Amino acid sequence: QKEVEQDPGPLSVPEGAIVSLNCTYSNSAFQYFMWYRQYSRKGPELLMYTYSSGNKEDGRFTAQVDKSSKYISLFIRDSQPSDSATYLCAMSLYSGGYQKVTFGTGTKLQVIP
Amino acid sequence: DGGITQSPKYLFRKEGQNVTLSCEQNLNHDAMYWYRQDPGQGLRLIYYSQIVNDFQKGDIAEGYSVSREKKESFPLTVTSAQKNPTAFYLCASSAQISSSYEQYFGPGTRLTVT
Repeated sequence: QKEVEQDPGPLSVPEGAIVSLNCTYSNSAFQYFMWYRQYSRKGPELLMYTYSSGNKEDGRFTAQVDKSSKYISLFIRDSQPSDSATYLCAMSLYSGGYQKVTFGTGTKLQVIP
Repeated sequence: DGGITQSPKYLFRKEGQNVTLSCEQNLNHDAMYWYRQDPGQGLRLIYYSQIVNDFQKGDIAEGYSVSREKKESFPLTVTSAQKNPTAFYLCASSAQISSSYEQYFGPGTRLTVT
């Protein structure tokens, strides 16, 4: 079983829809939870990171962490065609002197105009 | 403009040849990382460096080597010992090794070995 599981998609939604992207994890020692956006043939871009359970909002993006269920989500409101990308979840734990990061495989999102 | 640059964007090599991928950052970050990305797999850590003249193996270091002679630069050499070198390589940095949850990535180098 992988430490971090992420549905690869693809996920297709109409413009303006609310998008929900999810990851589950197995290691309760994870401390930080991150979401990256990666456009085709580009490097990932950090969208948000959070430490605690609950919601964190940044513009149209909301990151949600439920540590009791080992489940994290990224919600995108009023989705735009420019949101079409692959979204990577990541999480880290303290190991060997640093925050060791484990990435999900990514969910490909397509927002249709 | 602060950021991370990687060059070249595309690289083609014959099997058996060593190749070096460049990574430069002007963010004044102490920590730097190299990842490999393959279809259907998450990013996998090859090497990381906390400070100049120090680096540590990641999860898949075999067949790779790095150096960190300057704070800004962290080149990766893919040697002929790497059995499956064709991949998308990503360099990243964070302010310190303790803040590796906040990494910034370069644009990547796509390496094809035939």
